[in-house]
Amino acid sequence: KAGVTQTPRYLIKTRGQQVTLSCSPISGHRSVSWYQQTPGQGLQFLFEYFSETQRNKGNFPGRFSGRQFSNSRSEMNVSTLELGDSALYLCASSLDTAKNIQYFGAGTRLSVL
Amino acid sequence: QKEVEQNSGPLSVPEGAIASLNCTYSDRGSQSFFWYRQYSGKSPELIMFIYSNGDKEDGRFTAQLNKASQYVSLLIRDSQPSDSATYLCAVNTAAGNKLTFGGGTRVLVKP
Repeated sequence: KAGVTQTPRYLIKTRGQQVTLSCSPISGHRSVSWYQQTPGQGLQFLFEYFSETQRNKGNFPGRFSGRQFSNSRSEMNVSTLELGDSALYLCASSLDTAKNIQYFGAGTRLSVL
Repeated sequence: QKEVEQNSGPLSVPEGAIASLNCTYSDRGSQSFFWYRQYSGKSPELIMFIYSNGDKEDGRFTAQLNKASQYVSLLIRDSQPSDSATYLCAVNTAAGNKLTFGGGTRVLVKP
């Protein structure tokens, strides 16, 4: 069974640009969550989608947005990039049982210059 | 107070010894608790999850949960150099399908 797939693995952008990251969950998993990981702040929750609906959102500015498609694949978008957006962006999927067991993809490492 | 707290370490352990990691959480309504292992430059890998008070064993790993005291711990028996990594504690809070992570404990197993 294939795991969570994130593309691209690496990205280099400049300030002010926007970026779109993609995540394909484990087959059968309908919940997709996004996290940002930085050395200073650790792993922080961005948002969670289920059945194309955002169910939960973390404390990030509106420049961070996402969506989920009918096949459960998800994308996140960051507009007007800032230097502080440089991070590892992780996607995790779960079957959405009450226990919320999440499995992570390899991540997308974004560098903003 | 942080929602999920861990000692950042590093926790230095001789090969073959037991590594003991602790995690405390603030939300009393939390239901699910997870331990992830993260090697440098890699993504988190799920190693244990626990829902009920008490111990849960899986190979060399044992997770312990005490909801009354709001802590969860991880024991790694017969520690190997390959266990050297950062261990992240995560809690599924009562607020919904959202994992809140601690800052992680770095473990170094020395041959």
